[in-house]
Amino acid sequence: DGGITQSPKYLFRKEGQNVTLSCEQNLNHDAMYWYRQDPGQGLRLIYYSQIVNDFQKGDIAEGYSVSREKKESFPLTVTSAQKNPTAFYLCASSITSSRSEQYFGPGTRLTVT
Amino acid sequence: AQSVTQPDIHITVSEGASLELRCNYSYGATPYLFWYVQSPGQGLQLLLKYFSGDTLVQGIKGFEAEFKRSQSSFNLRKPSVHWSDAAEYFCAVGALNQAGTALIFGKGTTLSVSS
Repeated sequence: DGGITQSPKYLFRKEGQNVTLSCEQNLNHDAMYWYRQDPGQGLRLIYYSQIVNDFQKGDIAEGYSVSREKKESFPLTVTSAQKNPTAFYLCASSITSSRSEQYFGPGTRLTVT
Repeated sequence: AQSVTQPDIHITVSEGASLELRCNYSYGATPYLFWYVQSPGQGLQLLLKYFSGDTLVQGIKGFEAEFKRSQSSFNLRKPSVHWSDAAEYFCAVGALNQAGTALIFGKGTTLSVSS
């Protein structure tokens, strides 16, 4: 089955530690995205990538980093510089970045204490 | 700047009753518009999309939406709500930016269904 996988479903970390969230897609999509979701805030774009080895900052990129070494993979690192990292993180992909719908993974809930 | 407003944070509808969720957008050119649904703790599922053409679009699960350019609206409707429709609904507009396209989401409307 084609789709987007995110792992793990739940992630717990101590404050001050970096943590990497996984996102893999087998849809052969060129574009991939990371969103952060907080209650009552909707989805806010962290980073997106239109092609391999290229990515752009979204609205709330501070404290996050990404890489896009392979077409199917777009991992997100939440660094210790992110002030409020506890949130629900959603990965998405689309055929291209222009006028195409995005397909979402199941999400990772990160809790930092 | 592009933006999406969903005026209703929470709506409760009786099972079998009709539903309309409101969405207003701000966009300088012809938008392309989406409705997504999210069950608790899950990812988002695409309900329907509007790119061009017929302003009334049909989606999955019996949902439809109407694009009204004069009102900058893209409201979601369903004639008869089922208990399984209880979820959070997001409207989104596609925005062209410098390097490509990103979706801008509204803050969502939570739908509760009463029996």
